[in-house]
Amino acid sequence: GDSVTQMEGPVTLSEEAFLTINCTYTATGYPSLFWYVQYPGEGLQLLLKATKADDKGSNKGFEATYRKETTSFHLEKGSVQVSDSAVYFCARFDNYGQNFVFGPGTRLSVLP
Amino acid sequence: KAGVTQTPRYLIKTRGQQVTLSCSPISGHRSVSWYQQTPGQGLQFLFEYFSETQRNKGNFPGRFSGRQFSNSRSEMNVSTLELGDSALYLCASSTTSGGAVETQYFGPGTRLLVL
Repeated sequence: GDSVTQMEGPVTLSEEAFLTINCTYTATGYPSLFWYVQYPGEGLQLLLKATKADDKGSNKGFEATYRKETTSFHLEKGSVQVSDSAVYFCARFDNYGQNFVFGPGTRLSVLP
Repeated sequence: KAGVTQTPRYLIKTRGQQVTLSCSPISGHRSVSWYQQTPGQGLQFLFEYFSETQRNKGNFPGRFSGRQFSNSRSEMNVSTLELGDSALYLCASSTTSGGAVETQYFGPGTRLLVL
């Protein structure tokens, strides 16, 4: 079935380092793609989304571009902060099942 | 607008008991989905309701059920609790277009511990 794959964590970076979290998906058709972030003890927060090929979602310094040719939606940030420490989930919307399919999550730790 | 609210935030139950969790979606959202989150299985889809009807269901046993009321508030019920039901249960309300889900917004979750 359709799935979302993320790079395994945990990812540990120093403050101000460059971040990339890889995400690839399998899908029938052209799903909408999302990144969600989960801080400790909280629910998921929508970080950004893209609804069609070549769209770039951006928010709070994070960016991701919908790449149809490589079926990828990698998350990037130029300079991470300690407050970015969280678990990041890539997700796609399953147009046929009408539900969201989430990746396993990638834990990011940013050290001062 | 107020966000998605879930009650209670924490619950402790014993095996064999049943539990009911509540979710109030963002005002105007008619679609509500439920997820189970565990360290081993990650986020797993339970079911989705739209206009009081269950539209989609994940691969969970019949002990897991839900409903949605006319004001879009939703409840999920788990009967005959098992130790493995210990998890964070997340509710998400969604914007829709022509009935199709667009973007999901999550509540803080209810953490259930089964002893």
